[in-house]
Amino acid sequence: GDSVTQMEGPVTLSEEAFLTINCTYTATGYPSLFWYVQYPGEGLQLLLKATKADDKGSNKGFEATYRKETTSFHLEKGSVQVSDSAVYFCALSDNTGGFKTIFGAGTRLFVKA
Amino acid sequence: DAGVIQSPRHEVTEMGQEVTLRCKPISGHDYLFWYRQTMMRGLELLIYFNNNVPIDDSGMPEDRFSAKMPNASFSTLKIQPSEPRDSAVYFCASIQGHLNNEQFFGPGTRLTVL
Repeated sequence: GDSVTQMEGPVTLSEEAFLTINCTYTATGYPSLFWYVQYPGEGLQLLLKATKADDKGSNKGFEATYRKETTSFHLEKGSVQVSDSAVYFCALSDNTGGFKTIFGAGTRLFVKA
Repeated sequence: DAGVIQSPRHEVTEMGQEVTLRCKPISGHDYLFWYRQTMMRGLELLIYFNNNVPIDDSGMPEDRFSAKMPNASFSTLKIQPSEPRDSAVYFCASIQGHLNNEQFFGPGTRLTVL
């Protein structure tokens, strides 16, 4: 079945460092891909998404490109802030009508001042 | 819109008691999902509904868990009897469906079973 694999955390960075969180997927069709973020004590919220190959999703300085050839959707940010400390989930959703979303295990990011 | 609403936000109960968690999805959303999140197992899908009908309940851990959606604006997740291993954060999420498959999550219910 469909699955999502993302790098294990925690990831600890200093403020203004470059961030990459790797995500790869397996899917039988052509899913939509997502990054969700969870701040302490809250539910997940959508950070960005891409619906087809070569699409780039971006939001709040974060970017990810849908790479069909490598089945990847890596999250990047050029300069992280302390406020980016959170758990990041890579996810995919089947576009054939079921709308079930498969989430990765999550990667916790700590950013130090 | 107020977003997805869950109640209670925190629940502490004793083993063997019945627990009912409540969710109000965003108006107009056709899909509703119940998840459980723990440190050990991460985020698990328990069950989801489309137009109030359960579509996939394969994630419901055992018969002690049941979920209903009597109308488009309300769903419940019930655990009877509760056990300490049910302690977790339970999230409800909804999707508009059609052309938009972004999940909107509620704030969660933190359940502690003593």
